Amino acid sequence: AQTVTQSQPEMSVQEAETVTLSCTYDTSESDYYLFWYKQPPSRQMILVIRQEAYKQQNATENRFSVNFQKAAKSFSLKISDSQLGDAAMYFCAPSGGTSYGKLTFGQGTILTVHP
Amino acid sequence: KAGVTQTPRYLIKTRGQQVTLSCSPISGHRSVSWYQQTPGQGLQFLFEYFSETQRNKGNFPGRFSGRQFSNSRSEMNVSTLELGDSALYLCASRRDFSGANVLTFGAGSRLTVL
Repeated sequence: AQTVTQSQPEMSVQEAETVTLSCTYDTSESDYYLFWYKQPPSRQMILVIRQEAYKQQNATENRFSVNFQKAAKSFSLKISDSQLGDAAMYFCAPSGGTSYGKLTFGQGTILTVHP
Repeated sequence: KAGVTQTPRYLIKTRGQQVTLSCSPISGHRSVSWYQQTPGQGLQFLFEYFSETQRNKGNFPGRFSGRQFSNSRSEMNVSTLELGDSALYLCASRRDFSGANVLTFGAGSRLTVL
């Protein structure tokens, strides 16, 4: 079983600034992946970034990067140079073991970007 | 390349009725997963299908069922609808069953039960 905690229900950031969204998880799987998805007001869930748990190097996708601390089971998302289009609900989700298609989502963090 | 297509996008039903939602995955994707999203419970996994077989199932009552066809299209059915079934139902597809594949989500079907 997997559990996910996103302790920040809401976050806000000024345009062009940096913001970090936190996520902690618990899993009994030895092999798993971690994902951040965003869900803008239009409701389409979009992948932001993926991290393979067996890789020590933190994943990066353009302005998005993660800080993956496997021992602490922490998986935070950093958004640099925030843009108005980054405003959305962000979900952290691990998947693993025999259930790679089963994501366990956190409660989400609503990110507001101020111009 | 077309994305994940869900139909209908919106529907209204009354308690006791049943509903069928459809999902067409991205071409070449053989795995389809379903999720329920509500304000109170958040996003919850319903089930995953691969090669017409249910591979994983979430913690939902038997009123929730699904199936997958040979062309990978999937349907989910909810019978004897309850008010609490009002939700956004999201379908997601991925290429195959390996862990490296990423889920791509559709826009969802918004079900309202009156």
